[in-house]
Amino acid sequence: AQSVTQPDIHITVSEGASLELRCNYSYGATPYLFWYVQSPGQGLQLLLKYFSGDTLVQGIKGFEAEFKRSQSSFNLRKPSVHWSDAAEYFCAVVASGGSYIPTFGRGTSLIVHP
Amino acid sequence: SQTIHQWPATLVQPVGSPLSLECTVEGTSNPNLYWYRQAAGRGLQLLFYSIGIDQISSEVPQNLSASRPQDRQFILSSKKLLLSDSGFYLCAWSARGRGTDTQYFGPGTRLTVL
Repeated sequence: AQSVTQPDIHITVSEGASLELRCNYSYGATPYLFWYVQSPGQGLQLLLKYFSGDTLVQGIKGFEAEFKRSQSSFNLRKPSVHWSDAAEYFCAVVASGGSYIPTFGRGTSLIVHP
Repeated sequence: SQTIHQWPATLVQPVGSPLSLECTVEGTSNPNLYWYRQAAGRGLQLLFYSIGIDQISSEVPQNLSASRPQDRQFILSSKKLLLSDSGFYLCAWSARGRGTDTQYFGPGTRLTVL
């Protein structure tokens, strides 16, 4: 079975600084990988996803993520954080054999200081 | 375009009372449907998923149940609520077929059991 680890529970950055949120997964083959964002009191919104091909994927709101097979990682990045990016971020993995059950990480809470 | 609705948005219920949360999806057919719970400060816990009418799987044994009376309607119920049922309940859908494992989430229901 697959698993997802988000090692950082909270991350604090200053507005305008760069951001990297870590995600590590465990799965025997190449999985489908996702990043979702959740604003307080709301549902989750898809930021980006990786299925195959180019290992650097672009998402909405200026986010990008890079799939590194050798490190079993799918870290989320943004070059310049805005105060509106403060939210909870979830990494998720789905087995690539046609499964429809995702495994979510526990989430990373992003705090943005002005 | 597809939309997903949940109601009510918030709910305060006494211990031992029944529960019914409703989720409906518009703009798609034969979706996979999911119920998640998010406790304070925790990640997502998958409660139920359904790949079709009358095809519902439970991931966690508890006093909750789910039903799918129509293709695009998913209901979460309980006969007697416990304090531990408090949390943020999220409904999600995904499309059928390979490469369509992205989940789309509803706005959620905040349940407080007193």
